[in-house]
Amino acid sequence: GNSVTQMEGPVTLSEEAFLTINCTYTATGYPSLFWYVQYPGEGLQLLLKATKADDKGSNKGFEATYRKETTSFHLEKGSVQVSDSAVYFCALKGGGYQKVTFGIGTKLQVIP
Amino acid sequence: DTGVSQNPRHKITKRGQNVTFRCDPISEHNRLYWYRQTLGQGPEFLTYFQNEAQLEKSRLLSDRFSAERPKGSFSTLEIQRTEQGDSAMYLCASSPSGGGNQETQYFGPGTRLLVL
Repeated sequence: GNSVTQMEGPVTLSEEAFLTINCTYTATGYPSLFWYVQYPGEGLQLLLKATKADDKGSNKGFEATYRKETTSFHLEKGSVQVSDSAVYFCALKGGGYQKVTFGIGTKLQVIP
Repeated sequence: DTGVSQNPRHKITKRGQNVTFRCDPISEHNRLYWYRQTLGQGPEFLTYFQNEAQLEKSRLLSDRFSAERPKGSFSTLEIQRTEQGDSAMYLCASSPSGGGNQETQYFGPGTRLLVL
């Protein structure tokens, strides 16, 4: 079945540091890949997505590239801000199903 | 902004009681999903509706759980004979079935259930 593995947190960074959160997946066929974010006290929001190999999703300075050869979708940001503190979930949808399979989530804390 | 809404936001119940949650999707979305999220974990899929038809169900959805979407608009999730292990955040999401955003599921704020 489908599965998502992402690095466990928490990750603590200083403001303006570079961020990478690793995500790898197992799926049949060509899934769509997502990063969702959950800010404190708020619901899940889509951050970015990529629907085919080599696509790059981007939003709010975050980027992730769909790498089929390494089955990865790592999240990156060049300079994090305190307001980026949240839990980040890597996720996929595929195999002809509508359900989304989520990773465990990585908590990011950015300190001034 | 008419996003996905869920009621109640919080529910405390005693073991063995029945509870029902409601989800109102974004009005033009005909796909609706239920997920469960426990502390420190990602959401886990429970079930999916397209209009009023329940098309996918997870093995997590035991016979104590039932979901309905009778008119293809709002949905209810009922848990009978609640157990302490049912304590979790129950999330609802919706999506359109066509167009550029059909891959994206939009989530509600969730209903937090605590079973004592």
